[in-house]
Amino acid sequence: NAGVMQNPRHLVRRRGQEARLRCSPMKGHSHVYWYRQLPEEGLKFMVYLQKENIIDESGMPKERFSAEFPKEGPSILRIQQVVRGDSAAYFCASSLQGVSYNEQFFGPGTRLTVL
Amino acid sequence: DQQVKQNSPSLSVQEGRISILNCDYTNSMFDYFLWYKKYPAEGPTFLISISSIKDKNEDGRFTVFLNKSAKHLSLHIVPSQPGDSAVYFCAAIGDSNYKLTFGKGTLLTVNP
Repeated sequence: NAGVMQNPRHLVRRRGQEARLRCSPMKGHSHVYWYRQLPEEGLKFMVYLQKENIIDESGMPKERFSAEFPKEGPSILRIQQVVRGDSAAYFCASSLQGVSYNEQFFGPGTRLTVL
Repeated sequence: DQQVKQNSPSLSVQEGRISILNCDYTNSMFDYFLWYKKYPAEGPTFLISISSIKDKNEDGRFTVFLNKSAKHLSLHIVPSQPGDSAVYFCAAIGDSNYKLTFGKGTLLTVNP
């Protein structure tokens, strides 16, 4: 009964490179959420996806960031041309239903370091 | 603008005593509140929640109190145990039913 899985756990990129973060939701979950935690901050909502659909991307930076959740495979958060300010922990959560309240289960996070 | 505030970055408590973690919010649209616990290198784990129609919710050693007029909630842990040492995040949900707004967290250390 695996929980939410994220990989890689740690990712180091140089400025200008691309970062791809993967999230496999819990078995049977079709709703995925991405949150970002900057140093010394709380988690901040980025995007909510269902299979093949972006439901709410109001927390996504307008440029360089994109997310997808294809019919098959994990959800991907993609950051193009990374900058030092992108260094953060990125957490993925999943839920069985869209009305989730306390039913969002979080993965262990990917810690992105931009050199 | 910090809509959920945890003004104490850290708290140290003796084992067996009560731990009280505080949280304030500014958005009147928030109607559901949650506490998450987070160990290093792990994701947040749901601990306890409370709806805005209640003022108290209890689950074992954990009790959450909500004061809507003061826009304040608190998490009580009694008795505190060394395994409770972690970062505790207060979170709230408002007009959406999925978008969690988190505070910055409070690091609780329970000393044996």
